[in-house]
Order: sequence, then C-alpha cells, then structure tokens
Amino acid sequence: NAGVTQTPKFRILKIGQSMTLQCAQDMNHNYMYWYRQDPGMGLKLIYYSVGAGITDKGEVPNGYNVSRSTTEDFPLRLELAAPSQTSVYFCASSNIARLGVNEQFFGPGTRLTVL
Amino acid sequence: DAKTTQPTSMDCAEGRAANLPCNHSTISGNEYVYWYRQIHSQGPQYIIHGLKNNETNEMASLIITEDRKSSTLILPHATLRDTAVYYCIAPRDYKLSFGAGTTVTVRA
Repeated sequence: NAGVTQTPKFRILKIGQSMTLQCAQDMNHNYMYWYRQDPGMGLKLIYYSVGAGITDKGEVPNGYNVSRSTTEDFPLRLELAAPSQTSVYFCASSNIARLGVNEQFFGPGTRLTVL
Repeated sequence: DAKTTQPTSMDCAEGRAANLPCNHSTISGNEYVYWYRQIHSQGPQYIIHGLKNNETNEMASLIITEDRKSSTLILPHATLRDTAVYYCIAPRDYKLSFGAGTTVTVRA
C-alpha cells in the first residue's frame, strides 16, 4: 500500500491564483482530513470528510473548499491565494471502525508559498 | 478536546529512557489519550493511545494515572531518530487538535 499520497510536494503561487492540492489514500479509510501547519506551530484542521459525499468545516476553513466524490480522493481547493495561506498542508485518513480509536495516517505534505 | 499541557522541550541521552509528561486534568471518562510525533518536515506519526489501562506497543509505553488527569509516554531506549515533536491529544471526537507539543532532542 502507498498509504496517503499528496501532490504536488512544493508549489509557489502568486496572489490571486488558484490551485488544487491532491490527496489520495489506498487503505479504504472512511475518514479524511486536511490540516495546515504554519512555521513553529501545531497543525490546524481545515476540512474533514466522514465518507464520500460528506464534508464539513474544521477550525480554519476560510479560503478553502473541498469535495469527496470517492472514498480514495479528497482534494483541497484554494480559489484566491493569499500570503496568509503560505503553509505546509497535510492530508490524513483514518478508519473509524471502533469508537474512540482514531489512528490517523498522514501524507508527506505539500509546501505552498504564496507571493 | 480536553486541554493538554506538555513541557515545551526536553533533552534525552541516546540509549536512555525518555519520559514525556502530559497533563489533561479536564479529560472526561470516555476520552482517549493519543500520542503522535512529528519528525522534522514530515507528517505526524501515530505512536500509541489509551483510555484507562497502561499500554505498550513496539514504539513506546503509555502510563495513565488512576485519576486519568495525566499520562506519561515512555520511549524505552531513545535513539537519535526519536528526535521529534511529540503531541499529547485528548480529543472529544474524531477530530484531533495538535498543540505545540514537546520538542524532544536525543543527544549522542
């Protein structure tokens, strides 16, 4: 299994540009998450999904959109990039089969710079 | 999430046990305690979780006090590759909240 994969690894955007960060998992996990991590800080949850067709906002959703048309894929869309969105973005997935057990598997991250 | 408090940083000698404390005095009865770590620039990695009983796996041991207000993650024989930020998390649901964690530096 490849686990959780993310593309691209690095990206530089100009202010106002748009892009989609791709995330895919091959573990048949039902839950998927997007986090961002600013330098020296912990991770903050942007959006999450509990299954195909179901998404919900996390702690910092403004400026982002997501969709979940399949179990495997959970893309994150930035519509109008701003310097404040410069960050490292991590995608994660988990299989909530048993109550209380939430082992999340993380991808390698996408490092985004907005200039 | 229950609020967790961890020391900002700690050093450990290679080959020795590393004991990482976490305070979670507001934890409720059905909230698990999770530990993750993040090695520089990588995505976080799950280490272990527990509810009431002490737990052990191939990576670490988790000791939870009887009143569940605090816990200790033990890395039995720290190596240089264990240098990382360690996060103690007590989520109320399936959404994890990562604070600043403890930066652990293992020194040769």
